Formats: sequence, C-alpha cells, structure tokens
Amino acid sequence: KAGVTQTPRYLIKTRGQQVTLSCSPISGHRSVSWYQQTPGQGLQFLFEYFSETQRNKGNFPGRFSGRQFSNSRSEMNVSTLELGDSALYLCASSPGQGRYEQYFGPGTRLTVT
Amino acid sequence: GNSVTQMEGPVTLSEEAFLTINCTYTATGYPSLFWYVQYPGEGLQLLLKATKADDKGSNKGFEATYRKETTSFHLEKGSVQVSDSAVYFCALYNNAGNMLTFGGGTRLMVKP
Repeated sequence: KAGVTQTPRYLIKTRGQQVTLSCSPISGHRSVSWYQQTPGQGLQFLFEYFSETQRNKGNFPGRFSGRQFSNSRSEMNVSTLELGDSALYLCASSPGQGRYEQYFGPGTRLTVT
Repeated sequence: GNSVTQMEGPVTLSEEAFLTINCTYTATGYPSLFWYVQYPGEGLQLLLKATKADDKGSNKGFEATYRKETTSFHLEKGSVQVSDSAVYFCALYNNAGNMLTFGGGTRLMVKP
C-alpha cells in the first residue's frame, strides 16, 4: 500500500498570508490527524477527523482549521500567518475501528517570513 | 491529563552498545503505547507498539514492554548500529481523545 502523502513538501509564505496543506491517507484509513512539530514545543496535536467529522481539536487558535473529504483526504488551513507558525506539519492516518496506530506522512515544512 | 516523559538526549553510543531510552507516562484509563523514530528530513515512522499491560512490542531488534505498575515503556536494543542514529519519540494514545500525546524526543547518535 502507498503511504501517507502530503503536499506540498516545502512552502514559504509571508506574514498575513494564508496557506492550505493537503494530506492523502493510506487507502482504507478513515481517520486523519494533524500535528505541528517545532524545536521549542515538540509535537503538538492540531485536530483529528473521522468520516468527515472533526472529533477532537488541540489547543490552537481559530486561525488553524481543517476538513476531511468523503474520500478521507484532508486539508488544513492556516489564515493570517504569523512567524511562529513556521513548523513541520505532519499528517497521520489510522485505520480506526479499534486500531489506533497512526502512520505519518513526510510532512510539509512551512516557513513564514 | 495525559503526558509522556522521556529522558533527554542526546544519547551517544558506540556501535554494538546496548541502548535504553526511558519513557514514563501519565494517563487516565488504559492507553496504547508507541515508539516512533524520525530520521533527518523525514516524518515519523512507527517502530513498535503495545496495547495492554505486559505486552511487549518489538521490531528491527528494538523492544519495549508495557509496565502498568511503573507506568513505563522503556525502549531497548541489544546492539545499536550507526544507521539507528535518529530521534526517538515515545507516545500514548487514549481513545477518549483520539490523539497521540508525545514525549519530547530523544536524539540517539551512534558512532562507528
């Protein structure tokens, strides 16, 4: 099976702009989660979707949002970018239905200037 | 709430040395426990898992045992290789929150 794919891999944006990141889960996986990784804060949970419904959201401002489509693909959006949003954004998919292991994509490296 | 504590790195070992990376956790209920590994410039790879007390997860020579009495999930390998150099993350999954909680990561450096 193909793994989790994320696009784009690298992105440079300017403060105040918005950005959309995309994630395609492993075929058959219905749960998609997003995490932010920074040197200072480590790995922090953003949100999780299952069958197009957001089941949980981490402690991030409302500028961070996401959605999941009927084919389980997911996008996350960050509006009004700040310098502190520079990070590696990781998407993970999970089979769900009692299986909780998450499989991660390579991440999108976002740099805000 | 849930939390995971890992030993701080970097851990520097010579090739063929024995590896232990300590991990302890705090959680409500009965979480599943995981070790992930991250190589430079890459995402996280699932290394091993354990879903209930006394389970032993193992993969590629690495192993960890879910110890509920000590709330620990220490990672061990009998003989490390240079190719094992990476950052290792301990994590727990509590299905009440549908999310992984990670430790801070431990960088392992193996010298030839």
